[in-house]
Amino acid sequence: ETGVTQSPTHLIKTRGQQVTLRCSSQSGHNTVSWYQQALGQGPQFIFQYYREEENGRGNFPPRFSGLQFPNYSSELNVNALELDDSALYLCASSFSGGLYEQYFGPGTRLTVT
Amino acid sequence: ILNVEQSPQSLHVQEGDSTNFTCSFPSSNFYALHWYRWETAKSPEALFVMTLNGDEKKKGRISATLNTKEGYSYLYIKGSQPEDSATYLCAFQGAQKLVFGQGTRLTINP
Repeated sequence: ETGVTQSPTHLIKTRGQQVTLRCSSQSGHNTVSWYQQALGQGPQFIFQYYREEENGRGNFPPRFSGLQFPNYSSELNVNALELDDSALYLCASSFSGGLYEQYFGPGTRLTVT
Repeated sequence: ILNVEQSPQSLHVQEGDSTNFTCSFPSSNFYALHWYRWETAKSPEALFVMTLNGDEKKKGRISATLNTKEGYSYLYIKGSQPEDSATYLCAFQGAQKLVFGQGTRLTINP
């Protein structure tokens, strides 16, 4: 059984650019949730994907978008990067749209300069 | 805006001592309260999911209690060990998402 993996580990981008972060869910899980953790704060919910459909969204602008693929891996895309987007981005997988038994990946550290 | 508060923000404890910290959350629209342990450079790890008022959960030296009527949960660590050093996050589960507190960073001094 493989755990949740994320790529890349670290990323540096320039303001205005676009970025794609990737997440492979735990074997058997069909739900992926994405979180942003800014410095000194707890993780904030961005959105959740269940069976390739968005299944809930937090207070993030439309330039944050996502995809889930048939193998249940997922991407987080952020357009028009702003300095405040610098954060640790976590994904977590679970089963059937639930939030119990949620398994987190190690995160991608994004720095926007 | 849903507010989940954890206190204290950081804590230094001598090895062998017991400690506890608090998570405060809204008492309405409650589904569950989650506790996670997050060690540096690792993934957050689920400790407990608590759903019922009065719930008490235990895993080894770590235990947690839940009061949904007044909106708080306590996490207790008995006989702290160096490997307990981590950030402890609580998360309130509402209808469709988790709302996390900012965490309590625990450091165990040998």
